[in-house]
Amino acid sequence: NAGVTQTPKFQVLKTGQSMTLQCAQDMNHNSMYWYRQDPGMGLRLIYYSASEGTTDKGEVPNGYNVSRLNKREFSLRLESAAPSQTSVYFCASSVPPGGTDTQYFGPGTRLTVL
Amino acid sequence: AQSVTQPDIHITVSEGASLELRCNYSYGATPYLFWYVQSPGQGLQLLLKYFSGDTLVQGIKGFEAEFKRSQSSFNLRKPSVHWSDAAEYFCAVGPKYFGNEKLTFGTGTRLTIIP
Repeated sequence: NAGVTQTPKFQVLKTGQSMTLQCAQDMNHNSMYWYRQDPGMGLRLIYYSASEGTTDKGEVPNGYNVSRLNKREFSLRLESAAPSQTSVYFCASSVPPGGTDTQYFGPGTRLTVL
Repeated sequence: AQSVTQPDIHITVSEGASLELRCNYSYGATPYLFWYVQSPGQGLQLLLKYFSGDTLVQGIKGFEAEFKRSQSSFNLRKPSVHWSDAAEYFCAVGPKYFGNEKLTFGTGTRLTIIP
């Protein structure tokens, strides 16, 4: 049981490049989330998916798109990366569809945009 | 709008000493409250949570937290810290069901343990 996995672990992009961060969970959870973590700002919710086939914006969605590919996978896409998107990105999942409960976090992706 | 304040950015304590990390929240209804811990280079792990009932909740690794509605606080405590407790700690508040409000995290408190 791997929990929540994220790929890649590290990535360096140039301004304007695109990339997709992958996330998968094997706990049969309904809800999945993408956060970014910046120094002194804690975690901020980018997008979440309450259940397969649904997605909704969080606090900081601009510049990102998401896809809930199936119940297991939730990807985050940066279409045209900007230096302001340099951050550590965490994926998380939880059991209830759209409800607050324990969230299980992946190990994170450290992204640098030059 | 809901918010979480962790007033201490960085705390240093001696190994074996007691610990209290502060968390104040602003929320219009009954909050769901969480404490998470993040070890260096790792994701977040749940320490404990409060939904209802007994206002003193026990968590993993010997941590506990007390919900005080009158003070809008949910402080984390541990009677005797170990070197392995060095990490960053996040308090979070959220509604029962996501709607206009979702889970909001504080900015974190970094804990350093000295021998």
